[in-house]
Amino acid sequence: KQEVTQIPAALSVPEGENLVLNCSFTDSAIYNLQWFRQDPGKGLTSLLLIQSSQREQTSGRLNASLDKSSGRSTLYIAASQPGDSATYLCAFPANNTDKLIFGTGTRLQVFP
Amino acid sequence: DTGVSQDPRHKITKRGQNVTFRCDPISEHNRLYWYRQTLGQGPEFLTYFQNEAQLEKSRLLSDRFSAERPKGSFSTLEIQRTEQGDSAMYLCASSSGGFGRRGRNEQFFGPGTRLTVL
Repeated sequence: KQEVTQIPAALSVPEGENLVLNCSFTDSAIYNLQWFRQDPGKGLTSLLLIQSSQREQTSGRLNASLDKSSGRSTLYIAASQPGDSATYLCAFPANNTDKLIFGTGTRLQVFP
Repeated sequence: DTGVSQDPRHKITKRGQNVTFRCDPISEHNRLYWYRQTLGQGPEFLTYFQNEAQLEKSRLLSDRFSAERPKGSFSTLEIQRTEQGDSAMYLCASSSGGFGRRGRNEQFFGPGTRLTVL
């Protein structure tokens, strides 16, 4: 059974800190990995998609890396802001299908 | 591009009633997915369509659940004889999928329908 683990489960930091969120997975054959943001009671917003042929993707203050051999992806958030407060989820397609397997997320709070 | 939309956003029903949710995907997307999310958990896959064909159903989708995408555009998810355990957020996503695009198959999610079964 494929599993996705996100560490830490929760994180509370002051504004301005650089953050690293971790995602570990057991399937080294994944062909992409997506990072999402979810605000309380809301749907998911896609942040970044990394294809298996890529090692990094960047969007603004966000940078995601993918290391298939070690089964890890990291999401780096630079200069965090209170507006970054949300739950961050990683997910990848399972078993040659497009259905996504999700981690349980990292709940981030950035305080002023 | 108006994004994925879902209706209703909230539904409160009594145990035993039937409910139906609607999802309108991004217009040019041929794949449509349904997921369910309970509090504190990541979403879990329920089913997905390519155009009007339902390609896969999760074991989570009991006989009380049915999904359709009649013309390959919008989709409906119906739950019959609702139970309190059905209370969750039901999320819809779409993508421009296909085996040739697998690595680039980014899924975009709607705002979800929150179901509460009393």
